[in-house]
Amino acid sequence: GESVGLHLPTLSVQEGDNSIINCAYSNSASDYFIWYKQESGKGPQFIIDIRSNMDKRQGQRVTVLLNKTVKHLSLQIAATQPGDSAVYFCAVVYAGGTSYGKLTFGQGTILTVHP
Amino acid sequence: NAGVTQTPKFRVLKTGQSMTLLCAQDMNHEYMYWYRQDPGMGLRLIHYSVGEGTTAKGEVPDGYNVSRLKKQNFLLGLESAAPSQTSVYFCASMKTGTAQYFGPGTRLTVL
Repeated sequence: GESVGLHLPTLSVQEGDNSIINCAYSNSASDYFIWYKQESGKGPQFIIDIRSNMDKRQGQRVTVLLNKTVKHLSLQIAATQPGDSAVYFCAVVYAGGTSYGKLTFGQGTILTVHP
Repeated sequence: NAGVTQTPKFRVLKTGQSMTLLCAQDMNHEYMYWYRQDPGMGLRLIHYSVGEGTTAKGEVPDGYNVSRLKKQNFLLGLESAAPSQTSVYFCASMKTGTAQYFGPGTRLTVL
């Protein structure tokens, strides 16, 4: 079955540094990938997504990279700010599985940004 | 747009009591979901709906019921609450082919 994991459960950076959060997935038929940010006491917030026909997608200060060869996904945050401190987790959709958009979630990485 | 909203934000129940959590979305999304999030367990899918009038079981449906009488609303019911149902509950909605968008959560404690 699908499993999604994160290599680093915690990440501490200084304000202004770039942050990289990683995610590995196991099902090579996965075709849609999403990064969420969850601040303490709040619901998961959509950050950025990427489909399997792409290997890079950029947003505002964030970039997602997809390496289908090694089944690896990463989230890069440029010029990290204290407000970026949160739990980040990836979610994967396997198109060939269900028809209801089932998400398989990674366990999360805690990002702490020090001023 | 308010996005996905949930009521109530907090609730304390005694074992055996019942309650209904309400989720509403104003994005005209077809799909809606109920998750629970427990420390160390991540998000687990309780029930979902692929359209008005339809519901289906997720990974952990026992002890919960749902209804989707209107497209914009998805209700989660606990008929007889148990301490094991103490959790944070999140609702989400989705349009076909896009990401799920989550509500702010309901923190439920069952004593």
